[in-house]
Amino acid sequence: DIQMTQSPSTLSASVGDRVTITCRASQSISSWLAWYQQKPGKAPKLLIYKASSLESGVPSRFSGSGSGTEFTLTISSLQPDDFATYYCQQYPWTFGQGTKVEIK
Amino acid sequence: QVQLVESGGGLVKPGGSLRLSCAASGFTFSDYYMSWIRQAPGKGLEWVSYISSSSSYTNYADSVKGRFTISRDNAKNSLYLQMNSLRAEDTAVYYCARGLMVRGLHEFAFDIWGQGTMVTVSS
Repeated sequence: DIQMTQSPSTLSASVGDRVTITCRASQSISSWLAWYQQKPGKAPKLLIYKASSLESGVPSRFSGSGSGTEFTLTISSLQPDDFATYYCQQYPWTFGQGTKVEIK
Repeated sequence: QVQLVESGGGLVKPGGSLRLSCAASGFTFSDYYMSWIRQAPGKGLEWVSYISSSSSYTNYADSVKGRFTISRDNAKNSLYLQMNSLRAEDTAVYYCARGLMVRGLHEFAFDIWGQGTMVTVSS
């Protein structure tokens, strides 16, 4: 089975910061990767699919990159609404363990 | 609007059974792959099961294989998860989710999620 490892597990940042979250696959998954945002008590929200395609309605400050085994989610300028937990997902089976973005 | 609404969760004893339902509205349900994903309290997301648009293909996580059965009724715009031989480790919020489709192609990410239904397995 393919394992997905996210880093860091927790990230402390301030409004306006550039934030990068990494997701590594145990073997190549081409570009079959998605990123989700989840807030407490809510369902996850799709941000990025196919590694770098922005889902409709998602702000352009979110971007995804990578292929093969290493992927990144970047938030170019962190906004108050962005404090949440982020998950990567190797289509369609395996999720990473999550990265919590906290207020510094 | 596009919506998924889960129901059927509750408290069940170990070894018991439960059937979850997911009612879809606002889109052509029969066009889309559907999945169940769960989240144990305070934990991350775990994909559970997956069904193709015509029910011709299903798949399950190893942790539920042989115990859970996914099905759908396209005439009723509904998705189901029959859960048998439940264990304490099945305790979680269960989400149904729609498979993303882009220009007619299935992308296998999940673009629409329900609000979730809680399943608690405890004696």
